[in-house]
Parts: sequence; C-alpha cells; structure tokens
Amino acid sequence: EDQVTQSPEALRLQEGESSSLNCSYTVSGLRGLFWYRQDPGKGPEFLFTLYSAGEEKEKERLKATLTKKESFLHITAPKPEDSATYLCAVHNNTGKLIFGQGTTLQVKP
Amino acid sequence: EPEVTQTPSHQVTQMGQEVILRCVPISNHLYFYWYRQILGQKVEFLVSFYNNEISEKSEIFDDQFSVERPDGSNFTLKIRSTKLEDSAMYFCASSANVFGQFFGPGTRLTVL
Repeated sequence: EDQVTQSPEALRLQEGESSSLNCSYTVSGLRGLFWYRQDPGKGPEFLFTLYSAGEEKEKERLKATLTKKESFLHITAPKPEDSATYLCAVHNNTGKLIFGQGTTLQVKP
Repeated sequence: EPEVTQTPSHQVTQMGQEVILRCVPISNHLYFYWYRQILGQKVEFLVSFYNNEISEKSEIFDDQFSVERPDGSNFTLKIRSTKLEDSAMYFCASSANVFGQFFGPGTRLTVL
C-alpha cells in the first residue's frame, strides 16, 4: 500500500535555529515527490517537486532533497514567518497525490 | 500570478441536503482534482478529472459524489445527500500535466 510518513509531527525552533523535516515513503511507481506549505485554514501552497534520487531544489531558506526512500526539507536560519504545516506528498502511477500527515513548524522570535 | 479559486469559502448545510462546491481552475490547466481534509487529519484524494471524464477516484468518492465541468471554466463537486461525516475542508486543484498540482484556498463544509 502506498504510504507517506512525516516526522516529527511538530517542531519548535528558535529564530535562526536550522533543522530538517523528514518524509519517508513507500509507493508503487514514484512519479514525483512534492512539498507543500499549509497555513491554518488555507490550501496547500506548492513549494517543490522532486523526481529522482539525488535531486535537490532550493527556495529561499528551504532546501528539499530526495533519496530512494525518503525526502528531507532543510530549513536554514528560519524566521517566524516560516511557521506553518509542511506537507509531503507522492504522486503514484495512478495519478493521485498521497499526503503525509504533515509537520507543524513553529519558529519563535 | 494565476491561481485556483473556490466558492463559497464556507458552506453550512443540514444533513441530507445537496451541496455544490465550485472551483475555477487555472485557465490553461487540463487536469482537475478534488481533495478533502477533515479537521486534524491528512489531505485525502477524492477524484481526478481529465478530458471531461473521471480518470481516478478513491473509495471515499461513492455514489453520493459527482463532479462536472459544466463550461470552459468551472469545475464542480456535488454531494447529493450530505452526512455529518462529510464535514471537512474541500480543496480543488489543477495542473497543466500529471504533475505539479496547484491548490485552491478551500471550501469549509459544515454539515449540521
């Protein structure tokens, strides 16, 4: 069964304290791994797509990496405005996105 | 920047009533999706739609649900007889190809 597991469920950081979020997956025929940001009461906001092991993508303080079994979202020197829930999702060979439960990040000033 | 829009932002209905949730996907996109998120739970896939027909649906998407693209711009989700457990955020998404789905802001459905 296709599955996505994210850890930790919640993460509290001080402003400037770098860390990483983990996304482990099992999927039949990975056709892409996606990271989204979700603010309370809002829709997921697209961040990155990764397609193959070894691939990396960067956007401001965020960097996403992919291996054959997991992906990491590295946050460098986070700011309070980075506080949100970060969702990982995989695209399987039937065309649907399968989401993890998310990591809720809180960055304190 | 183009974006997916959804109306209404919040819908309150009585159990057993029909509701229609509306979405306007990004204009040059060809693939359309509905997802739902029950409070505190994962985002769950409901249905995908391409070339005027359903291409994939989940076990959640039973006979009470239907989707339609009535014109060139709107994409709708109808729930025929709402149940209490249908209360959730419903997200529409669209994509230009089978990857990179962009989500709307959601409709919060409350069934009383």
